[in-house]
Amino acid sequence: GAVVSQHPSRVICKSGTSVKIECRSLDFQATTMFWYRQFPKQSLMLMATSNEGSKATYEQGVEKDKFLINHASLTLSTLTVTSAHPEDSSFYICSARERASGRTEQFFGPGTRLTVL
Amino acid sequence: QKEVEQDPGPLSVPEGAIVSLNCTYSNSAFQYFMWYRQYSRKGPELLMYTYSSGNKEDGRFTAQVDKSSKYISLFIRDSQPSDSATYLCAMRGGYNKLIFGAGTRLAVHP
Repeated sequence: GAVVSQHPSRVICKSGTSVKIECRSLDFQATTMFWYRQFPKQSLMLMATSNEGSKATYEQGVEKDKFLINHASLTLSTLTVTSAHPEDSSFYICSARERASGRTEQFFGPGTRLTVL
Repeated sequence: QKEVEQDPGPLSVPEGAIVSLNCTYSNSAFQYFMWYRQYSRKGPELLMYTYSSGNKEDGRFTAQVDKSSKYISLFIRDSQPSDSATYLCAMRGGYNKLIFGAGTRLAVHP
């Protein structure tokens, strides 16, 4: 149980294009989903917290207009990197917190590696 | 000062060794402590989850929390090459946010 998937696993795009990353909880309903980015050999940095049916809460320094988050259902959240630039190249990871059990653990997706040329 | 401090390593040990991984933290309000394992180019996988002080054991893994010292540890017994990964400690802060350590890279060589 507690499986989180991400799609795509890897994406390469040209500078200026937008990229959408999907995060799905496969066998549970997620009250909250989190989006992180991770640079090589560094830890995970929280970008935003996404609650189903409401606006995402962004961490300080994260541009909400650049990183659009939509949490349309209890099993799906999407992150869209708009007008991507090479400095946006990173490993993007989502996590989900289970709704029903009240547990506080977060379960992570496998990550999406974004390369912007 | 970072909220969570973790030595990034790398830590290299022979197969069969006991591995000790540690984190210190500054916020005494933290109550939930986690250890994640992350293989290269993969998402983190939850290994251990502990509430408040004490020990928790799961197979070859033991997690310890000492709230008085603001210090947490993960022990791996009989380490295997397949344990080679980055180990991240994490603590739950406000609004269920996780605050991660830098991660310790572990290499277990045959």
